[in-house]
Amino acid sequence: SYELTQPPSVSVSPGQTASITCSGNKLEDKYVGWYQQKAGQSPVLVIYQDYQRPSGIPERFSGSNSGSTATLTISGTQAVDEADYYCQAWDSYTGVFGGGTKLTVL
Amino acid sequence: QVHLQESGPGLVKPSETLSLTCNVSDFSISSGYYWGWIRQPPGQGLEWIGGGFYTGSTSYNPSLKSRATISLDPSNNQFSLTLNSVTAADTAVYYCARVSDFGDSHRGYFDFWGQGALVTVSS
Repeated sequence: SYELTQPPSVSVSPGQTASITCSGNKLEDKYVGWYQQKAGQSPVLVIYQDYQRPSGIPERFSGSNSGSTATLTISGTQAVDEADYYCQAWDSYTGVFGGGTKLTVL
Repeated sequence: QVHLQESGPGLVKPSETLSLTCNVSDFSISSGYYWGWIRQPPGQGLEWIGGGFYTGSTSYNPSLKSRATISLDPSNNQFSLTLNSVTAADTAVYYCARVSDFGDSHRGYFDFWGQGALVTVSS
């Protein structure tokens, strides 16, 4: 079965750039979505189809996908961005989520 | 805005069947789109369970070994999940969600989510 691998945790200082990676075999051949989940809340879509940003999501969120790695980048990270982040893709008609990355804003 | 709300028993006994319903408001599930279920065990990550179209076409996570069934009810604008032979490992928060742009190109993304329903499997 297809797998997506994320680092368990990433730390960043306020105002700095945070990068969260998601790795999978030939991932560039798939479309990747990213979800933000704050404690006790439902996930929220922050990036879809590799780099598209939904309405209402701040411009500091961006995405890319090349080779075997997709990356979620948060520029000028704020304290409100502290959350768990999950990547997601489809392997044929099967949905796959990465294990999640806890972003800590120190 | 699309609103989704999960409902169902919060406690299920081992070996029995878990049943959940997702009520959709402010959008007709007959309009198309793919409707899915995702779960999250306590303190763990997200797991895709499966989903389907109002036409009846469905797909499932192979890891569930055919225990899951998803059906859509356009007349009541809702869809449901049943999971049989449950064990403690099925204890989780269960989310329903809408998938936009789902198709042969596999571009789909979960754009609207319910608030989640905690289901505990215990005797």
